[in-house]
Amino acid sequence: GNSVTQMEGPVTLSEEAFLTINCTYTATGYPSLFWYVQYPGEGLQLLLKATKADDKGSNKGFEATYRKETTSFHLEKGSVQVSDSAVYFCALSPFTGANSKLTFGKGITLSVRP
Amino acid sequence: GAVVSQHPSRVICKSGTSVKIECRSLDFQATTMFWYRQFPKQSLMLMATSNEGSKATYEQGVEKDKFLINHASLTLSTLTVTSAHPEDSSFYICSAFSTGAYEQYFGPGTRLTVT
Repeated sequence: GNSVTQMEGPVTLSEEAFLTINCTYTATGYPSLFWYVQYPGEGLQLLLKATKADDKGSNKGFEATYRKETTSFHLEKGSVQVSDSAVYFCALSPFTGANSKLTFGKGITLSVRP
Repeated sequence: GAVVSQHPSRVICKSGTSVKIECRSLDFQATTMFWYRQFPKQSLMLMATSNEGSKATYEQGVEKDKFLINHASLTLSTLTVTSAHPEDSSFYICSAFSTGAYEQYFGPGTRLTVT
């Protein structure tokens, strides 16, 4: 079946540091890949997505590239801010649209200190 | 962006009782909603897909008679945990699919504690 593996956390960085959060997946076919972010006390929000190989999703300074050869979708940001402190989930879906049942990784907590 | 609410945010109930959790899409209509369960330090696990006007589709291993899902309108889905036991204690999260935005929007979750 489908699965998503995220690097172990938590991660603590200083403001303006470079961020990489690793995510690898197992799936048949060509799934869509997602990064969701959950800020304290709020629901998950879509951060970015990619629907086919070599696509790069980007939003709010975050980027992730769909690498089919390495089955990875690592999240990066060049300079993190305190406001980026949150829990980040990598996810995949075999379909798009209303049937897009998501398989999530365990999530990783990012804390950014001033 | 679109907003999905859940009510209650926290609930404590006694073993053997039932508890209902509501999931509402506040500013869009959702023919499809999803219910997830999250254990501490673990990922969200999909429990069921809720389709407006029809029976929910449950994932393998999820007891449909224990976790009753009703999606009676385009803005409301409910999850009822029947005859709750301490092992049902968890964080329950819903999401709603917006056909307009072609995206799932998540509620903030409901913390259920069964004593």
